Amino acid sequence: DTAVSQTPKYLVTQMGNDKSIKCEQNLGHDTMYWYKQDSKKFLKIMFSYNNKELIINETVPNRFSPKSPDKAHLNLHINSLELGDSAVYFCASSKGRGGSGNTIYFGEGSWLTVV
Amino acid sequence: KNQVEQSPQSLIILEGKNCTLQCNYTVSPFSNLRWYKQDTGRGPVSLTIMTFSENTKSNGRYTATLDADTKQSSLHITASQLSDSASYICVVSAGYQKVTFGIGTKLQVIP
Repeated sequence: DTAVSQTPKYLVTQMGNDKSIKCEQNLGHDTMYWYKQDSKKFLKIMFSYNNKELIINETVPNRFSPKSPDKAHLNLHINSLELGDSAVYFCASSKGRGGSGNTIYFGEGSWLTVV
Repeated sequence: KNQVEQSPQSLIILEGKNCTLQCNYTVSPFSNLRWYKQDTGRGPVSLTIMTFSENTKSNGRYTATLDADTKQSSLHITASQLSDSASYICVVSAGYQKVTFGIGTKLQVIP
């Protein structure tokens, strides 16, 4: 059983398009995250939600909008895609907030390529 | 500025050999330190979590150490296997929410 699942795994799209990546966790966790891993393999947090409430919103363009319909889902919508958005996007979840020492479980990643 | 630096950037070792990966951090206030393993094309998987009071923790052939005074951690891999080939990422938490990732050490184990 997949703990944190995200779709699609691969996405190739043209500049200017709008796309969404969906994420679901079946671990009963109350905190979910979106991370971006760039070409240099550096993981950087984008957003974090705790019980559907936004608790971390790092400096990302407002073209990126997370949506959490319930605490088991955290979707990422990206408007007007740019070449620099090409990266791997990881969804993750934890019981409690990530800084508190709880294990953060990651999904398998979504490879976004903007052409 | 909270930073996590890892060394070496990459490492190649023979199967069966041991190796040690390093992590230095300037994160404050320190909450906990974790090591993750990320296989190529996969998401990171947690190996160990250590708080301020812990200076060593093992998970099978992986042993992590923490020196909170010098703000250094190491991950020691014993009797390496081909499946250990991956990136190993050091993650340090400051306080309740701030989590800082290192860039990782890419380990390749060759037969």
